Amino acid sequence: SQKIEQNSEALNIQEGKTATLTCNYTNYSPAYLQWYRQDPGRGPVFLLLIRENEKEKRKERLKVTFDTTLKQSLFHITASQPADSATYLCAKNGANFGNEKLTFGTGTRLTIIP
Amino acid sequence: NAGVTQTPKFQVLKTGQSMTLQCAQDMNHEYMSWYRQDPGMGLRLIHYSVGAGITDQGEVPNGYNVSRSTTEDFPLRLLSAAPSQTSVYFCASSYQGFGNSPLHFGNGTRLTVT
Repeated sequence: SQKIEQNSEALNIQEGKTATLTCNYTNYSPAYLQWYRQDPGRGPVFLLLIRENEKEKRKERLKVTFDTTLKQSLFHITASQPADSATYLCAKNGANFGNEKLTFGTGTRLTIIP
Repeated sequence: NAGVTQTPKFQVLKTGQSMTLQCAQDMNHEYMSWYRQDPGMGLRLIHYSVGAGITDQGEVPNGYNVSRSTTEDFPLRLLSAAPSQTSVYFCASSYQGFGNSPLHFGNGTRLTVT
């Protein structure tokens, strides 16, 4: 079965440093990989989407990489701030191109320490 | 713009009772889905729909029914509630359902079955 794993359940980073979160998957490489932010008591909010033919995607202080050889995506927050504290989820699409099922990892709870 | 609206926010049921979780979106999205989120398990797909009149099962469909009579609404029915269905339920929609469109989530329904 397809699995998507986020290595760290929790991560503490000093304010101003770069936070790096890891997402690994098994078997086939998905066509798309997405990252979401979730705050307590709220639904996930979309951050970035990266395609299999893209190595890197950036949005302001956020950067996502996608390595199909390592079967891994990295999510970076540069110049981290306490407001970046949240749980971050990665998700990938299903087995066949066009598969409608998006599978999520269990998330990494990020805390930025002032 | 309301986005995805879920009602109720909280619900307590007794074992064996039935209820419907409501989900509505005002973005004219074709794709809608229901997830449940449990500690340590991440978001798991229950049912999804790629358009009005079309539904399909996700990873954990047992004990739940869905229908999609309009583009806007995608209710989730619990037929006979069980304590194992205690969870937070999220409805989500997207323009397309192939992993190449961001999911827009509601803020969830927290369900407790006693």
